[in-house]
Amino acid sequence: DAKTTQPTSMDCAEGRAANLPCNHSTISGNEYVYWYRQIHSQGPQYIIHGLKNNETNEMASLIITEDRKSSTLILPHATLRDTAVYYCIVRALSGNTPLVFGKGTRLSVIA
Amino acid sequence: DGGITQSPKYLFRKEGQNVTLSCEQNLNHDAMYWYRQDPGQGLRLIYYSQIVNDFQKGDIAEGYSVSREKKESFPLTVTSAQKNPTAFYLCASSIYYGDSSLRANVLTFGAGSRLTVL
Repeated sequence: DAKTTQPTSMDCAEGRAANLPCNHSTISGNEYVYWYRQIHSQGPQYIIHGLKNNETNEMASLIITEDRKSSTLILPHATLRDTAVYYCIVRALSGNTPLVFGKGTRLSVIA
Repeated sequence: DGGITQSPKYLFRKEGQNVTLSCEQNLNHDAMYWYRQDPGQGLRLIYYSQIVNDFQKGDIAEGYSVSREKKESFPLTVTSAQKNPTAFYLCASSIYYGDSSLRANVLTFGAGSRLTVL
C-alpha cells in the first residue's frame, strides 16, 4: 500500500469548511483513497473513498488531484462534533493484509 | 441494528493476570480484527481472522492470543506475557479483505475496550 502523509493537527472554526489534506505521491493506478475518522475514545468510522473522481456523500466530500498524488477531505460546515482524528489510507481493492492506520490528523473544531 | 459489540468497556487487571476481551458481530462479516491503540498513536494490528478456525498474527501479536470458533465471535486474551498491556483495544470486522470489492476495505469498529493494568 502506498504511504500517506498528513499534518499532525489542524484547527477549524465552527461553521467553516474543514479541508484536510493527504499526500500519497507513490499511489498506484489501482489504489483507492479511503478516509476514516475517530472521535475520542471511540472506534474509527468510515467516511468516504475514491479512485480519481471527486466524491461526495452525506458526511464529506473527497477531492483527488488529477495526478492522484494528493487528496483533500472536505467537511463543508464543521461542527464541534467533527472534532476527531482523521485517517487517510491508500489501498488496492484486493489487499493481502488488513488496513494500516497511521497517526492521522487531529482536527479541532473551535466555537 | 447490525454492529459490533465489545465488552467490557473498561477493565482493570492486576499484573500477572490474563484477561479476555469479548468481540461479537452480527453483520455476517467473514473477517475480524483486533487493533491496539496507545495515547496519541495510530492503530496497531494484533491479530486478524478471515474465516472460522483460522487467524493470523499482526504486527504486535506477542503476549496476545485469539480464537475464532464462531463467525460472530473473535475474543482476545491479553496474557501475562504482554509487557505493556494498558491500552485501548479495538475490534473490527469487514467482508473478506481479499475480496475484490470496495467494501473489503470498509471496516466496522466496535466502541473499544480500555484495559488498565494496576
